[in-house]
Amino acid sequence: QVTLRESGPALVKPTQTLTLTCTFSGFSLNTNFMSVSWIRQPPGKALEWLALIDWDEERYYSPSLKTRLSISKDTSKNQVVLTMTNMDPVDTATYYCARSSDPAAAGPLDYWGQGILVTVSS
Amino acid sequence: DIQMTQSPSTLSASVGDRVIITCRASQSVDSWLAWYQQKPGKAPELLIFKASNLETGVPSRFSGSGSGTEFTLTISSLQPDDFATYYCQQYNNFWTFGQGTKVEI
Repeated sequence: QVTLRESGPALVKPTQTLTLTCTFSGFSLNTNFMSVSWIRQPPGKALEWLALIDWDEERYYSPSLKTRLSISKDTSKNQVVLTMTNMDPVDTATYYCARSSDPAAAGPLDYWGQGILVTVSS
Repeated sequence: DIQMTQSPSTLSASVGDRVIITCRASQSVDSWLAWYQQKPGKAPELLIFKASNLETGVPSRFSGSGSGTEFTLTISSLQPDDFATYYCQQYNNFWTFGQGTKVEI
C-alpha cells in the first residue's frame, strides 16, 4: 500500500526558510521510473507544481521559483525534503507531495499525501 | 512555460447530465496530459493519464481525448459523487496545471 505524508511547520515568518518532509511507504525511490513531486495550492486557488526528484537523482524545479527551491531525497529513510527560502505571505498554501511511477514519463501523479497547510505571517 | 487553460471555470449540471470539460495548451504537449478530481479539503486524485488512459479503479463514465493542444474530459452520466473540481496537467515540458473547473449543481 502506497502512502505519503507531509510534515513541517504550520506557521513560518516572512523571510524565513521553509523545510517540508515527505515520508512515504509502499515504494522505493531507488526503483526505476519512480519520482516524487511537490505541489502547492493557495486557499481557493489552483494547483502549482514546484519540484520533482526521481530515482536517478535528477532534479527539476518550477522555472518561476527555482532560485528559492531545493529538493533532496534520503532513500534509507524513504523521505523527500523540500526547502523554500525567503518565504512571503503569498506562499501561504497547502503543500502536497505526490508520486509518479509512469515508465513513459514522470508526470501523472498517482498517489498524493493529505497535504499540509503552511501559513506565512509575522 | 506551457500555459494550460480550462473551460469553463464553473459548470452547473444535474445528475445524469453528460459533462464535457476542455483543456487547451499554449503549445503542443503531444499526449502527455493528465486529469485529476479534487473534492473540498482533499488531495487531488488521478483520473486519466496520457490523455485517454483511465487510471485503475476510476469509473468508466470518465473518459479523456485529444492530443497536441486540445483535450477534453467527458463524464458520460454525472453522478452525485462527481461534483468536484477538475484539473488538467501537462507533463511534456516540466509540469503545469490548468486553473480548474468546478462542477456544481
